[in-house]
Amino acid sequence: KNQVEQSPQSLIILEGKNCTLQCNYTVSPFSNLRWYKQDTGRGPVSLTIMTFSENTKSNGRYTATLDADTKQSSLHITASQLSDSASYICVLPSMDSNYQLIWGAGTKLIIKP
Amino acid sequence: NAGVMQNPRHLVRRRGQEARLRCSPMKGHSHVYWYRQLPEEGLKFMVYLQKENIIDESGMPKERFSAEFPKEGPSILRIQQVVRGDSAAYFCASSLTARTTNEKLFFGSGTQLSVL
Repeated sequence: KNQVEQSPQSLIILEGKNCTLQCNYTVSPFSNLRWYKQDTGRGPVSLTIMTFSENTKSNGRYTATLDADTKQSSLHITASQLSDSASYICVLPSMDSNYQLIWGAGTKLIIKP
Repeated sequence: NAGVMQNPRHLVRRRGQEARLRCSPMKGHSHVYWYRQLPEEGLKFMVYLQKENIIDESGMPKERFSAEFPKEGPSILRIQQVVRGDSAAYFCASSLTARTTNEKLFFGSGTQLSVL
């Protein structure tokens, strides 16, 4: 069973619109939850890192929220730009290792002009 | 300050050949992680190394795969006798300290390995 599930798998929106990406996880307990952005053909870039005690964290037009009770996180993108087209990945530390991370499959976001 | 550098960006090998993937971490970083990514899938941890030491290789296949991070020079991921199933994007990441609660990983642009 996947420990990190992301939805939707893909999303197309018009430039300037807002969108929200979802992450459901079963990893427990956990020390932090991360969101990464991965452009096509590039390595992931960190957007936010939230500890379990944080409810929300912003990085420019990106705002991540965390509900530890329901084990859900969301990434909200405001006033989307063409450069936001990428995969957005939810990541949590593995329970089985001090060094391993569990990566979601990502949501592929396409921004259309 | 250059980021994590990986080379080559693209590598084509025939079945049975060897593939060598190189990763130079960010300046000052002594912790290196290798990941593999198949199309439409999430990254899969392979191995975690510190200078001259393999700390965790639990994600790396026992046969044909090896990794090193020598005192001088880049980290090397070596795949012997490649098979078509080895075709994937291989990413390297580095961090300043060992992975802790808020440690950020910095990724290279990856090496796309294609096995013919």
